[in-house]
Formats: sequence, C-alpha cells, structure tokens
Amino acid sequence: AQSVTQLGSHVSVSEGALVLLRCNYSSSVPPYLFWYVQYPNQGLQLLLKYTSAATLVKGINGFEAEFKKSETSFHLTKPSAHMSDAAEYFCAVSDPNNNNDMRFGAGTRLTVKP
Amino acid sequence: DTAVSQTPKYLVTQMGNDKSIKCEQNLGHDTMYWYKQDSKKFLKIMFSYNNKELIINETVPNRFSPKSPDKAHLNLHINSLELGDSAVYFCASSRRGSAGELFFGEGSRLTVL
Repeated sequence: AQSVTQLGSHVSVSEGALVLLRCNYSSSVPPYLFWYVQYPNQGLQLLLKYTSAATLVKGINGFEAEFKKSETSFHLTKPSAHMSDAAEYFCAVSDPNNNNDMRFGAGTRLTVKP
Repeated sequence: DTAVSQTPKYLVTQMGNDKSIKCEQNLGHDTMYWYKQDSKKFLKIMFSYNNKELIINETVPNRFSPKSPDKAHLNLHINSLELGDSAVYFCASSRRGSAGELFFGEGSRLTVL
C-alpha cells in the first residue's frame, strides 16, 4: 500500500523567502505523486502532479516539485513566498495500476509573515 | 458553474439523528469519492464509486451508507450520528486515465452536538 509522510505540520516563512515543504513516500510500485493546496473553508485543488515523465514538475502559482527516487521524496518548493500562499498543503500518492485510491499526507500549514 | 457541488455546506444536528449530504459533479467523470477531514486536517478516504459501482469501502462504520443513483451523483447518508462524526466531508471526482487527479467540492461541515 502507498503512503506519504509530510515532515513538519507547520512551516513559517517571511514574504519573499524560499518555501520548502517536505514529502516522503512509500510505495511498492513506481507511484503517482501529487501536491494539493487547501485555502481556508475551501476544498483541495491540484498544484502539480508527477506521473513518471519529467522528474521536475512545475505547477500553478510558481510552485514546483522534484521526484527523487533515491530519496523517496517529492518536496514542494517556491523561490519566493507571497502572502497569498498561506494555506494548508497536502502531498498525496496513488498507485498507477489503481489510481482510484489516493492517499494523503497529514498536511503542512504554511504561514507567510510580512 | 461549480464542477463538484455539495449540499449542505453546513450541518448542525443532535446525536442520534440521521442526516444526508449530497454531491453532484458536472465534469463527466467516472469516479466519485467521499473523504473525511478531521479537526487536525487529516484526510481519509471513505468510499469510492466507479460508474455507480462501489470500488473502495474503507473501514467505516456501517452507519455510513453511500448511494450513487448515477455516475454524476454520490450521496452520503449517516445514521445515528455520534459526536465523533463531526468533521468536514469532501466529495471528489476523477476521470479515468487522468492519473487519478481529484477535483474536490467545497466540503460539508458536520457538527454533532
């Protein structure tokens, strides 16, 4: 079964600073990996996804993530944080042979200080 | 036009009552889901339906019963509500062949008193 672990339930950065949200996965097969963002009182929306093509994936709002098989990681980065990036971020994994079953990490709350 | 819509958005009820949450998607997707998000924001899959057929049924009390009248609708009925059922319930959908990318509704916040 697939699972993901997000390191750090809360990350705080200053506006303009680098954002780094960590995610490690566990999977018995090459996985599909995702990052979703949840703004207050809203549903989740997809930021980006990795589906075994390029290992560096670019998403919306300037975010990107790199799939590193040797480290079983899929960390999310953004070079310069904006106040509007403050939200909850979820890493998720699914099995390409059964991608109806997506499993989410516990989430990381990103706070951006002015 | 909202892609995945849930009603009601807020639900406050007493222990022991029965309640339903409805979900509709207008994306033409084949698969629909219910997720539960607890107070710590942890998201747990509850059910998944593909073309009206139940394909995932996690360890959920049988007080929870999903119903899919057609592939655009997936409703959740909860009997004999308990305090621990208080959570935000999210409906989601995905298209076959889309690598499982999920489209979420805005959530239904259930509070059991």
